[in-house]
Amino acid sequence: KQEVTQIPAALSVPEGENLVLNCSFTDSAIYNLQWFRQDPGKGLTSLLLIQSSQREQTSGRLNASLDKSSGRSTLYIAASQPGDSATYLCAVSDSNYQLIWGAGTKLIIKP
Amino acid sequence: KAGVTQTPRYLIKTRGQQVTLSCSPISGHRSVSWYQQTPGQGLQFLFEYFSETQRNKGNFPGRFSGRQFSNSRSEMNVSTLELGDSALYLCASSLVAGTDTQYFGPGTRLTVL
Repeated sequence: KQEVTQIPAALSVPEGENLVLNCSFTDSAIYNLQWFRQDPGKGLTSLLLIQSSQREQTSGRLNASLDKSSGRSTLYIAASQPGDSATYLCAVSDSNYQLIWGAGTKLIIKP
Repeated sequence: KAGVTQTPRYLIKTRGQQVTLSCSPISGHRSVSWYQQTPGQGLQFLFEYFSETQRNKGNFPGRFSGRQFSNSRSEMNVSTLELGDSALYLCASSLVAGTDTQYFGPGTRLTVL
């Protein structure tokens, strides 16, 4: 059974810092891995999708990497801003095309 | 292009009642997935529909059901509501679920009293 873990559960950093969020999964048989952000009381916004054959994806200040063999992904946020404050979730797509979710990392960027 | 819409946004029901939630996907998307989000369990997959057929179902009791119409709009129904069904219900649409980016609606907040 696929399990997804995100560490840390919460993170607070000063504005301007670069930071890394971690996601690990137990079964390497995934189709893709996605990173989302969720603002309080709102739905989810897709940030990056990495196909199983890819190693990384970039969008603006965000860079996500994927190492299937070790069951790990990282989301790198450069030059953090207060607007980046949100909960970040990763999810892997299993062989049934279901998304299996991590519990999320709550990120606070202090001005 | 309009995003995923969900109605209603908020709902209060009492135990034993039933509820129907609606989701309209992005135009052209044929796959709709439903998720339940609670503070204790996080996000959990309910089911996924593609071209009016349920392709996958998560580990939820039979009280949770859904359907998809020919225009790709989807509804989910929960019968005999329990207190533990209180949650944010999210739907997501994509061209092909699981292999494509999923776009989420704002969710329906269901409170069961």
